[in-house]
Amino acid sequence: GDSVTQMEGPVTLSEEAFLTINCTYTATGYPSLFWYVQYPGEGLQLLLKATKADDKGSNKGFEATYRKETTSFHLEKGSVQVSDSAVYFCALPPNNQGGKLIFGQGTELSVKP
Amino acid sequence: DAGVTQSPTHLIKTRGQQVTLRCSPKSGHDTVSWYQQALGQGPQFIFQYYEEEERQRGNFPDRFSGHQFPNYSSELNVNALLLGDSALYLCASSLSGLSEAFFGQGTRLTVV
Repeated sequence: GDSVTQMEGPVTLSEEAFLTINCTYTATGYPSLFWYVQYPGEGLQLLLKATKADDKGSNKGFEATYRKETTSFHLEKGSVQVSDSAVYFCALPPNNQGGKLIFGQGTELSVKP
Repeated sequence: DAGVTQSPTHLIKTRGQQVTLRCSPKSGHDTVSWYQQALGQGPQFIFQYYEEEERQRGNFPDRFSGHQFPNYSSELNVNALLLGDSALYLCASSLSGLSEAFFGQGTRLTVV
């Protein structure tokens, strides 16, 4: 079945460092791909999305490119801030069905001043 | 736009009791999905409601049930609570046919 695999955390970076969080997927067809962020004690917020191969989603300095060849959707940011400390989840809708999402296990990011 | 709202925010129940959680979807959305997020894990899909009917269901026992009302709001009911039901319960709303979902802040359920 469809699945999402994320790199293990926690990831600890200094402020202004470059961030990469790896995400690979297994899916039937070519579903949309999402990154969600969860700040401490809160629900999930949609960070960015890509709907087809080679699409680049971007928001708040974060970027991710839908790579069909490598079945990947890695999250990147050129210069992280302390306020980016959160848990990041990669997700996809199995069979591209509306509303239902399969999530990776999450990657915790901690940014130190 | 109020976004997705859930109530209550926190709840403590005793093993064996029953609980009801509530969710109001984002304005204009007609589909509500519920997820369980255990500590340190990704959310797990429980079920989805559309047009007041359960449309999809994840791998959860029948103790988990739900309802959707004509105004698209939804309830999640859990009977015979177990300690392992302690988790953050997330509601997500979407527009039928679209995969993008918007989440509420969640209800933190603790079973003691």
